[in-house]
Amino acid sequence: GAVVSQHPSWVICKSGTSVKIECRSLDFQATTMFWYRQFPKQSLMLMATSNEGSKATYEQGVEKDKFLINHASLTLSTLTVTSAHPEDSSFYICSARDYTSGNLYEQYFGPGTRLTVT
Amino acid sequence: GQNIDQPTEMTATEGAIVQINCTYQTSGFNGLFWYQQHAGEAPTFLSYNVLDGLEEKGRFSSFLSRSKGYSYLLLKELQMKDSASYLCAVRNAGNNRKLIWGLGTSLAVNP
Repeated sequence: GAVVSQHPSWVICKSGTSVKIECRSLDFQATTMFWYRQFPKQSLMLMATSNEGSKATYEQGVEKDKFLINHASLTLSTLTVTSAHPEDSSFYICSARDYTSGNLYEQYFGPGTRLTVT
Repeated sequence: GQNIDQPTEMTATEGAIVQINCTYQTSGFNGLFWYQQHAGEAPTFLSYNVLDGLEEKGRFSSFLSRSKGYSYLLLKELQMKDSASYLCAVRNAGNNRKLIWGLGTSLAVNP
């Protein structure tokens, strides 16, 4: 149980276009989802915390107008990278917390989406 | 400020034991996590400590001392597949309970 999926697993887009990444909790309800980005050989950097039905909380330095997050249901959160530039190329990972199962201490990670902007 | 320190790289031999240390200074504490991450993949959960002491799970064990702001991950009977990055993360005590991540320790297991 506790599976998180991401789609797409990889995407290549042209500079200036927008890309949407989906994060789904497949077998549990996730009231909270987290979006991370990770550059090569670096650790995870939290971008924002997404709570179902409310606005996302962005970390300092993350542009909320560039990285649009929508958490419209208990099983789906989306991250849209708007007007993407080559410096946005990174590995984007979502995670979800399952409050109903009692596993309060664990975040379940999706497999990640590798974004390349040309 | 908040800070988590762990060694950047470690090397060990197949079949041996390795200990990866993590020290932390955070504004609040609500548990410490260890994750394993292979290159190009998402992190996978290894262990969780919230009370002082040792938690053992198969070949992996994790230790916590809250008074010292210190944890370690112990890997026994190392296998080649254990070559990966090991991430230490502390959960803060705020409402969102987000994780604060260390930079990770890249472990290379040699034959």
